[in-house]
Amino acid sequence: EAGVAQSPRYKIIEKRQSVAFWCNPISGHATLYWYQQILGQGPKLLIQFQNNGVVDDSQLPKDRFSAERLKGVDSTLKIQPAKLEDSAVYLCASSPTRGSYGYTFGSGTRLTVV
Amino acid sequence: AQSVTQLDSHVSVSEGTPVLLRCNYSSSYSPSLFWYVQHPNKGLQLLLKYTSAATLVKGINGFEAEFKKSETSFHLTKPSAHMSDAAEYFCVVRDNSGYSTLTFGKGTMLLVSP
Repeated sequence: EAGVAQSPRYKIIEKRQSVAFWCNPISGHATLYWYQQILGQGPKLLIQFQNNGVVDDSQLPKDRFSAERLKGVDSTLKIQPAKLEDSAVYLCASSPTRGSYGYTFGSGTRLTVV
Repeated sequence: AQSVTQLDSHVSVSEGTPVLLRCNYSSSYSPSLFWYVQHPNKGLQLLLKYTSAATLVKGINGFEAEFKKSETSFHLTKPSAHMSDAAEYFCVVRDNSGYSTLTFGKGTMLLVSP
Protein backbone atom coordinates (compact mmCIF):
# COMPACT_ATOMS: atom_id res chain seq x y z
CA GLU A 1 0.00 0.00 0.00
CA ALA A 2 1.43 3.37 -1.00
CA GLY A 3 1.85 5.88 1.80
CA VAL A 4 0.86 9.51 2.06
CA ALA A 5 2.79 11.45 -0.55
CA GLN A 6 3.89 15.04 -0.01
CA SER A 7 5.79 17.49 -2.16
CA PRO A 8 8.04 19.31 -2.25
CA ARG A 9 10.32 17.77 0.34
CA TYR A 10 12.04 21.06 1.10
CA LYS A 11 11.28 24.69 0.29
CA ILE A 12 13.14 27.93 1.02
CA ILE A 13 11.40 31.24 0.37
CA GLU A 14 11.77 34.85 1.38
CA LYS A 15 9.28 36.43 3.75
CA ARG A 16 6.19 37.89 2.07
CA GLN A 17 6.45 35.35 -0.75
CA SER A 18 3.80 32.71 -1.29
CA VAL A 19 4.22 28.92 -1.20
CA ALA A 20 2.06 25.86 -1.77
CA PHE A 21 2.34 22.31 -0.52
CA TRP A 22 0.70 19.26 -2.02
CA CYS A 23 -0.57 16.06 -0.41
CA ASN A 24 -1.86 12.84 -1.90
CA PRO A 25 -3.44 10.67 0.82
CA ILE A 26 -3.79 6.92 0.86
CA SER A 27 -6.35 5.79 -1.69
CA GLY A 28 -9.83 5.58 -0.19
CA HIS A 29 -9.03 7.57 2.94
CA ALA A 30 -11.86 10.01 3.54
CA THR A 31 -10.22 12.12 6.23
CA LEU A 32 -7.20 14.32 5.58
CA TYR A 33 -5.25 16.45 8.03
CA TRP A 34 -2.61 19.17 7.77
CA TYR A 35 -0.31 19.66 10.75
CA GLN A 36 2.36 22.27 11.42
CA GLN A 37 5.42 21.11 13.38
CA ILE A 38 7.68 23.91 14.56
CA LEU A 39 11.18 22.86 15.57
CA GLY A 40 11.20 21.47 19.11
CA GLN A 41 7.43 21.13 19.32
CA GLY A 42 4.79 18.52 18.61
CA PRO A 43 2.65 18.75 15.50
CA LYS A 44 -0.30 21.12 15.72
CA LEU A 45 -3.46 20.57 13.68
CA LEU A 46 -4.13 23.27 11.11
CA ILE A 47 -7.11 21.84 9.23
CA GLN A 48 -9.09 18.63 8.90
CA PHE A 49 -11.12 17.57 5.85
CA GLN A 50 -13.79 14.91 5.59
CA ASN A 51 -13.95 14.09 1.87
CA ASN A 52 -13.93 17.54 0.28
CA GLY A 53 -15.51 19.40 3.20
CA VAL A 54 -13.74 21.21 6.04
CA VAL A 55 -14.45 19.64 9.45
CA ASP A 56 -12.15 21.75 11.65
CA ASP A 57 -10.07 24.77 10.70
CA SER A 58 -10.21 26.53 14.04
CA GLN A 59 -6.40 26.74 14.31
CA LEU A 60 -5.71 27.79 10.74
CA PRO A 61 -4.45 31.40 10.46
CA LYS A 62 -6.97 32.28 7.80
CA ASP A 63 -5.48 35.69 7.04
CA ARG A 64 -2.53 33.97 5.36
CA PHE A 65 -3.18 30.24 5.19
CA SER A 66 -5.66 28.48 2.92
CA ALA A 67 -6.30 24.86 2.04
CA GLU A 68 -8.51 22.95 -0.31
CA ARG A 69 -9.30 19.38 -1.11
CA LEU A 70 -11.01 19.37 -4.47
CA LYS A 71 -12.76 16.11 -5.40
CA GLY A 72 -12.02 14.72 -1.95
CA VAL A 73 -8.63 13.29 -2.87
CA ASP A 74 -5.50 15.48 -3.19
CA SER A 75 -5.08 18.55 -1.04
CA THR A 76 -3.11 21.78 -1.29
CA LEU A 77 -2.04 24.04 1.58
CA LYS A 78 -1.02 27.59 0.70
CA ILE A 79 0.66 30.36 2.64
CA GLN A 80 0.44 33.91 1.33
CA PRO A 81 2.31 35.96 2.40
CA ALA A 82 4.79 33.93 4.42
CA LYS A 83 6.29 35.13 7.69
CA LEU A 84 9.49 34.07 9.40
CA GLU A 85 7.48 32.24 12.08
CA ASP A 86 5.95 29.99 9.42
CA SER A 87 9.25 28.10 9.21
CA ALA A 88 8.26 24.56 10.13
CA VAL A 89 7.59 21.09 8.81
CA TYR A 90 4.13 20.73 7.31
CA LEU A 91 2.78 17.23 7.73
CA CYS A 92 -0.12 15.71 5.91
CA ALA A 93 -1.96 12.69 7.32
CA SER A 94 -4.96 10.63 6.31
CA SER A 95 -7.28 8.09 7.89
CA PRO A 96 -10.08 5.90 6.51
CA THR A 97 -12.81 7.79 8.37
CA ARG A 98 -13.02 10.45 11.06
CA GLY A 99 -13.32 7.99 13.93
CA SER A 100 -10.87 5.34 12.77
CA TYR A 101 -7.49 4.72 14.36
CA GLY A 102 -5.53 4.13 11.18
CA TYR A 103 -3.70 7.43 10.81
CA THR A 104 -0.86 7.52 8.28
CA PHE A 105 1.52 10.46 8.14
CA GLY A 106 3.54 11.68 5.20
CA SER A 107 7.22 12.61 5.51
CA GLY A 108 6.39 16.30 5.46
CA THR A 109 7.56 19.44 3.70
CA ARG A 110 10.25 21.41 5.49
CA LEU A 111 9.67 25.14 4.93
CA THR A 112 12.32 27.72 5.70
CA VAL A 113 11.34 31.39 5.47
CA VAL A 114 14.30 33.79 5.30
CA ALA B 1 -10.84 20.14 25.60
CA GLN B 2 -7.90 17.79 25.56
CA SER B 3 -4.20 18.19 26.26
CA VAL B 4 -1.05 16.18 26.76
CA THR B 5 1.95 16.85 28.98
CA GLN B 6 5.18 15.01 28.37
CA LEU B 7 7.07 15.41 31.60
CA ASP B 8 10.60 15.20 30.20
CA SER B 9 11.96 17.01 27.16
CA HIS B 10 15.05 14.75 27.09
CA VAL B 11 15.75 11.30 28.53
CA SER B 12 19.22 9.73 28.42
CA VAL B 13 19.81 6.02 28.96
CA SER B 14 22.56 3.53 28.33
CA GLU B 15 22.10 0.72 25.87
CA GLY B 16 20.57 -2.30 27.58
CA THR B 17 18.95 -0.32 30.43
CA PRO B 18 15.20 0.31 30.83
CA VAL B 19 13.40 3.20 29.18
CA LEU B 20 10.62 5.24 30.78
CA LEU B 21 8.98 8.15 28.94
CA ARG B 22 6.27 9.86 30.97
CA CYS B 23 2.99 11.26 29.70
CA ASN B 24 -0.05 12.75 31.45
CA TYR B 25 -3.23 13.61 29.62
CA SER B 26 -6.37 15.63 30.08
CA SER B 27 -9.60 14.85 28.26
CA SER B 28 -13.24 15.71 28.75
CA TYR B 29 -14.33 12.39 27.31
CA SER B 30 -13.10 8.84 27.32
CA PRO B 31 -9.86 9.23 25.39
CA SER B 32 -7.82 7.19 23.00
CA LEU B 33 -4.08 7.50 23.50
CA PHE B 34 -1.16 6.90 21.19
CA TRP B 35 2.62 6.95 21.19
CA TYR B 36 4.39 7.92 17.99
CA VAL B 37 8.12 7.87 17.22
CA GLN B 38 9.91 10.22 14.84
CA HIS B 39 13.42 9.47 13.67
CA PRO B 40 15.45 12.35 12.18
CA ASN B 41 14.11 13.40 8.80
CA LYS B 42 11.58 10.60 8.86
CA GLY B 43 7.81 10.51 9.16
CA LEU B 44 5.83 9.74 12.30
CA GLN B 45 5.46 6.05 13.05
CA LEU B 46 2.83 4.60 15.35
CA LEU B 47 4.31 2.63 18.26
CA LEU B 48 1.10 1.66 20.01
CA LYS B 49 -2.43 2.81 20.83
CA TYR B 50 -4.95 2.50 23.65
CA THR B 51 -8.57 2.33 22.53
CA SER B 52 -10.42 1.38 25.76
CA ALA B 53 -9.65 -2.34 25.59
CA ALA B 54 -6.77 -3.75 27.70
CA THR B 55 -5.05 -1.11 29.83
CA LEU B 56 -1.60 -2.60 29.18
CA VAL B 57 -0.83 -2.07 25.53
CA LYS B 58 2.02 -3.75 23.68
CA GLY B 59 3.50 -2.09 20.64
CA ILE B 60 6.25 -2.56 18.13
CA ASN B 61 9.96 -2.95 18.90
CA GLY B 62 9.36 -4.12 22.48
CA PHE B 63 7.62 -0.97 23.70
CA GLU B 64 4.57 -1.03 25.91
CA ALA B 65 2.41 1.48 27.77
CA GLU B 66 -0.09 1.29 30.60
CA PHE B 67 -3.25 3.39 30.71
CA LYS B 68 -3.95 4.52 34.27
CA LYS B 69 -7.19 6.45 34.46
CA SER B 70 -6.83 7.31 38.17
CA GLU B 71 -3.47 8.95 37.47
CA THR B 72 -4.39 10.23 33.97
CA SER B 73 -1.13 8.77 32.76
CA PHE B 74 0.05 6.76 29.78
CA HIS B 75 3.77 6.17 30.32
CA LEU B 76 5.85 4.40 27.68
CA THR B 77 8.36 1.74 28.73
CA LYS B 78 10.85 -0.68 27.26
CA PRO B 79 12.87 -3.19 29.29
CA SER B 80 16.13 -2.77 27.39
CA ALA B 81 17.11 0.17 25.20
CA HIS B 82 18.76 -0.29 21.84
CA MET B 83 20.83 2.27 19.99
CA SER B 84 18.20 2.33 17.23
CA ASP B 85 15.62 3.58 19.76
CA ALA B 86 17.24 7.02 19.80
CA ALA B 87 14.55 9.33 18.40
CA GLU B 88 11.82 11.74 19.42
CA TYR B 89 8.69 10.29 20.98
CA PHE B 90 5.27 11.91 21.04
CA CYS B 91 2.36 11.12 23.32
CA VAL B 92 -0.96 11.85 21.62
CA VAL B 93 -4.53 12.06 22.91
CA ARG B 94 -7.78 11.91 21.01
CA ASP B 95 -11.08 12.48 22.72
CA ASN B 96 -13.68 10.30 21.08
CA SER B 97 -16.24 12.97 20.46
CA GLY B 98 -16.56 15.91 18.16
CA TYR B 99 -13.95 15.98 15.48
CA SER B 100 -11.79 13.16 16.91
CA THR B 101 -8.64 15.14 16.23
CA LEU B 102 -5.21 14.21 17.56
CA THR B 103 -3.49 16.48 20.08
CA PHE B 104 0.27 15.98 20.39
CA GLY B 105 2.56 16.53 23.33
CA LYS B 106 5.75 18.54 22.85
CA GLY B 107 7.85 15.42 22.54
CA THR B 108 10.60 13.65 24.47
CA MET B 109 13.98 13.16 22.87
CA LEU B 110 15.43 9.77 23.81
CA LEU B 111 19.21 9.60 23.76
CA VAL B 112 20.88 6.18 23.96
CA SER B 113 24.57 5.89 24.75
CA PRO B 114 26.74 2.80 24.20
